[in-house]
Amino acid sequence: GAVVSQHPSWVICKSGTSVKIECRSLDFQATTMFWYRQFPKQSLMLMATSNEGSKATYEQGVEKDKFLINHASLTLSTLTVTSAHPEDSSFYICSAPLRGLDTGELFFGEGSRLTVL
Amino acid sequence: KQEVTQIPAALSVPEGENLVLNCSFTDSAIYNLQWFRQDPGKGLTSLLLIQSSQREQTSGRLNASLDKSSGRSTLYIAASQPGDSATYLCAVHTGKLIFGQGTTLQVKP
Repeated sequence: GAVVSQHPSWVICKSGTSVKIECRSLDFQATTMFWYRQFPKQSLMLMATSNEGSKATYEQGVEKDKFLINHASLTLSTLTVTSAHPEDSSFYICSAPLRGLDTGELFFGEGSRLTVL
Repeated sequence: KQEVTQIPAALSVPEGENLVLNCSFTDSAIYNLQWFRQDPGKGLTSLLLIQSSQREQTSGRLNASLDKSSGRSTLYIAASQPGDSATYLCAVHTGKLIFGQGTTLQVKP
C-alpha cells in the first residue's frame, strides 16, 4: 500500500519552544493532507486540512497561529507547534488520500508523539 | 453534524472466537467508510475501505459491511488470534474523516 512517513516519531521540548513535524507521502503525490491529534485513550480529532500551494483549513477551535501548517510540495506537509505548552503534549498523526479526495483510501503516518516539559 | 459511534468500547474474547464490531453514523451522506487498526502508540493501518455504493468488503479473516440507509457498519473478524489485539477505529469520509471512539479488542491465548 501507499506509504506516508512522519518525522520525528517522538520529540521532547521545553515549554515555549517551537516544534516542527514533517509528513511525507513517499510513493504518491498528495495535494491534500490531513492533520490529527490524539489524546491518550481517545480517538483522532481532525485539526486541519493542508492544501498544496494554498492556506490550510482549520477545524473549529484549532488556533491557526499556534499550529502552523505549510504544504509547499505535493509530497510534504509540515505542522509547526509554536510556543508549545504542556497542554500541547499529544500524539499528532497526518494522513493523505491515495487517488481522489472523495473516494481515495486514506493512509496514515506512524504518528509523532510530542511531550512538552 | 456527523457523529460516529462504536460499540462496544472494549471487548475481550478467547482465541478462536468470531466477533463483530459495530459502527454507526448519523448522516448517510458519506463518500466511503474505512476501518482502521491502531496498535498502542502507533499510527493507523487501513484494514478495509467500503465505498458508499458498496455493501461489503473482505480481506482475509476480515469482512466489513455497510448499510448506508441505516447508518451502520460492522467489522467481522473470524477465528480471532492474539495478534488481532488492538484498537479498531471506523471513520466515515464526508470530505474529511470523522472517527469513532474505537473498540479496544483483546484476544486471549
